[in-house]
Order: sequence, then C-alpha cells, then structure tokens
Amino acid sequence: AQSVTQPDARVTVSEGASLQLRCKYSYSATPYLFWYVQYPRQGLQLLLKYYSGDPVVQGVNSFEAEFSKSNSSFHLQKASVHWSDSAVYFCALSRRGSALGRLHFGAGTQLIVIP
Amino acid sequence: EAAVTQSPRNKVAVTGGKVTLSCNQTNNHNNMYWYRQDTGHGLRLIHYSYGAGSTEKGDIPDGYKASRPSQENFSLILELATPSQTSVYFCASGDGDWGGSYEQYFGPGTRLTVL
Repeated sequence: AQSVTQPDARVTVSEGASLQLRCKYSYSATPYLFWYVQYPRQGLQLLLKYYSGDPVVQGVNSFEAEFSKSNSSFHLQKASVHWSDSAVYFCALSRRGSALGRLHFGAGTQLIVIP
Repeated sequence: EAAVTQSPRNKVAVTGGKVTLSCNQTNNHNNMYWYRQDTGHGLRLIHYSYGAGSTEKGDIPDGYKASRPSQENFSLILELATPSQTSVYFCASGDGDWGGSYEQYFGPGTRLTVL
C-alpha cells in the first residue's frame, strides 16, 4: 500500500519569508512524486515532479522540492514567498509501472501569505 | 492547448434526484479519473477509465456510476443524490505508463450541493 502525509493543515508566513511545506510518503519502492497547487475556485495545477536523478527538482514560479529516500520525504520549498502564493498545496505519489498512473494525494496544506 | 473542461461548474440538486456531471478532455489521454475533494481528505478517487467503454471503481464508488462513451468524454452519475455527496468534484486525464508521463491534468471542478 502507499500513502502520502502532509502534517501541516495550514501554514502562515509573511511575504518575503522562506517557505517549506512538508510531505512524507509511505511506499516500498521509489515512487514518482508530485506537488500540485490549487488556487481558490480552480482545479489543480502541476508545480513540479520527481521521476529520478537529481533529488532537487525545480518547478514553476521558483518553487523547488527535494526528494529524500532515506527520510521518505519530498518537501516543497521557496526562498521568498509572495502574497499570490496563497493557495492549497497537494503532495501526490504514483507507483512506477502503473498503466493507470493513479495519484495518491495527501490531505493538502493551506498556505496563507500575510502581506 | 490541451485542456480538461467540466460542466456544470455549479449544481444544486435535491435529495433523491439524478445528477450527471460531464467532463471533456482534448489531451487525447487514455485514462480519465473522477475525484471528490473534501476538507481534510485531499482528493479521493471515485471512478476511473482506461479508455472508451471502460469504467472501473476507485476507492469510494458507492452511490456513483461512471460512463466513458468516447476517448474525450467521461461522465459521473449520481442516480439518487444524497446530502453526503455535497462536495467539489474534479475530473482529470492522464496517460499513466502508456505515455511515460504520470502527470494528470485537472478540470476546474464542479461544486455540487445536494439539499
């Protein structure tokens, strides 16, 4: 079985501060990992993904994430947040070799950026 | 531009009524998915499809049916709607292992309220 845990339901930061959103996964092998963002009243948009190779992956809008096999984690980071980054962020996992490619989502972390 | 569209965007239904949510994708993806989003649960998979004519149960299929009449279209059907089905529903498309990319592309969502 596989699962994704986002331990922080809500994170509040000031504009210009750095950010880390945590994601832990449970899976017996190395998964494919994703971060999606959901702005109010919109669908999910892909921020970044990890398939293999360099454990630090770059995404859109200056977000990056680091894969750690030893810690079973895929934390999302940003050096300096903007008020427009306020949204809900989802971490997701997919099993390699799956024809369906289904995603297993965490519960999401709501990010609030204070101007 | 590849896209996933959903209709209606908002729906108010009465208990016991029939509701059909529609989804169309222009990505030419084999796989399509229906999720519901509820606070604290992230996205949960209701039904999915590998292609035209196929539908499979996801993690929470009770009370829902699905129909995939063509590559582009995937519907979610609530034969007897109940208040517990009040939620936001997302459709997504993707290719899983078929295309080597496990990304899913999401529609904007349908907000369903069952009174």
